[in-house]
Amino acid sequence: ILNVEQSPQSLHVQEGDSTNFTCSFPSSNFYALHWYRWETAKSPEALFVMTLNGDEKKKGRISATLNTKEGYSYLYIKGSQPEDSATYLCAFYSAKTSGSRLTFGEGTQLTVNP
Amino acid sequence: NAGVTQTPKFQVLKTGQSMTLQCAQDMNHEYMSWYRQDPGMGLRLIHYSVGAGITDQGEVPNGYNVSRSTTEDFPLRLLSAAPSQTSVYFCASSTQWGHTDTQYFGPGTRLTVL
Repeated sequence: ILNVEQSPQSLHVQEGDSTNFTCSFPSSNFYALHWYRWETAKSPEALFVMTLNGDEKKKGRISATLNTKEGYSYLYIKGSQPEDSATYLCAFYSAKTSGSRLTFGEGTQLTVNP
Repeated sequence: NAGVTQTPKFQVLKTGQSMTLQCAQDMNHEYMSWYRQDPGMGLRLIHYSVGAGITDQGEVPNGYNVSRSTTEDFPLRLLSAAPSQTSVYFCASSTQWGHTDTQYFGPGTRLTVL
């Protein structure tokens, strides 16, 4: 069983704060790392798929970095807004995974207070 | 495009009843999958399909059956519902095997088994 760990579990910030969270995954046999944004009562929406060590992706105020050698990815949100409040999921795919499945972390729940 | 659709949105079953959760996508995606989401746990893969006529088990397949007779549809059948199957179920699709493409999720089905 491959473990994907996300920290912190939850985070409360004020509007305008910048924040970041971590996704840790096994560094061997890395294939892809996904980030999703999941708002309450909606379905997860893709933010990024990252496949190369050193990858950096950006979408508006949200960016992500990837370190496959040490097995972690950071998601950054610059100048958080209330509409950024959501659970942020990462998911890891290993070339060694039997059944070819994405393994999801439990997510980081972000609340941005106005 | 409607994307990924799921029906019903909510369902209450009694222990021992059977039912089928419907999932359809209109993006011509080959890869489709079913996840369940439980409190304190990440999304867990139940079954997946890499194309019409091909299905395989995921991490938690017991108590569920799937079939894939067309590219568009991927129904999930609960054979004899149990309270442990109370969960939120998400169907997802993507273009590629190998998980270098994002997953597109349906809106979810909230199932309660009494």
